[in-house]
Amino acid sequence: AQKVTQAQTEISVVEKEDVTLDCVYETRDTTYYLFWYKQPPSGELVFLIRRNSFDEQNEISGRYSWNFQKSTSSFNFTITASQVVDSAVYFCALADDTSGANNLFFGTGTRLTVIP
Amino acid sequence: DTGVSQNPRHKITKRGQNVTFRCDPISEHNRLYWYRQTLGQGPEFLTYFQNEAQLEKSRLLSDRFSAERPKGSFSTLEIQRTEQGDSAMYLCASSRKYEQYFGPGTRLTVT
Repeated sequence: AQKVTQAQTEISVVEKEDVTLDCVYETRDTTYYLFWYKQPPSGELVFLIRRNSFDEQNEISGRYSWNFQKSTSSFNFTITASQVVDSAVYFCALADDTSGANNLFFGTGTRLTVIP
Repeated sequence: DTGVSQNPRHKITKRGQNVTFRCDPISEHNRLYWYRQTLGQGPEFLTYFQNEAQLEKSRLLSDRFSAERPKGSFSTLEIQRTEQGDSAMYLCASSRKYEQYFGPGTRLTVT
């Protein structure tokens, strides 16, 4: 069965600090997709990144970077030099062949608060 | 590029009443999804359409829930005989392939 674990329920950091949000996933499928979404206080989920199971390259986009490690079933998200606008709930999600690759299975989210 | 829109944004209803929500996807997206999100939880998948065909339904989607996507454009989600446990945020998303783009949601409160 699919499972996404975000063990950090809430994190607070001071502005300009770096922060890493952890995500551990479980799936029996060899083909799967991992996602990160941001849900700011306004409530609308914002897509950040998708990673395929066959592509373990890490990715950097501005202050955001993602570390995908199949050996530990982890897909961690790092924000460098955090800003107040980064305050939000961040969700990691998984889609695999068992779930039809169309059904996103979300973790419970990590609430990030960046203190000015 | 207009995003996913949902109406209404908020709905308060009494237990036992029927409610209907609408979702307008991004125009070139042929895939449409409904999710439900309760406080402190991640969204949970309800159902998926490809064009007008409903291809997948979660076990969460009881007989009181029905979704349609006539003509493969907008979609409606109806809940009949609402219960207090139906109170949640109902999210719609659309995609061309794997990346799902979400609307602002409809917050349902059943009193």
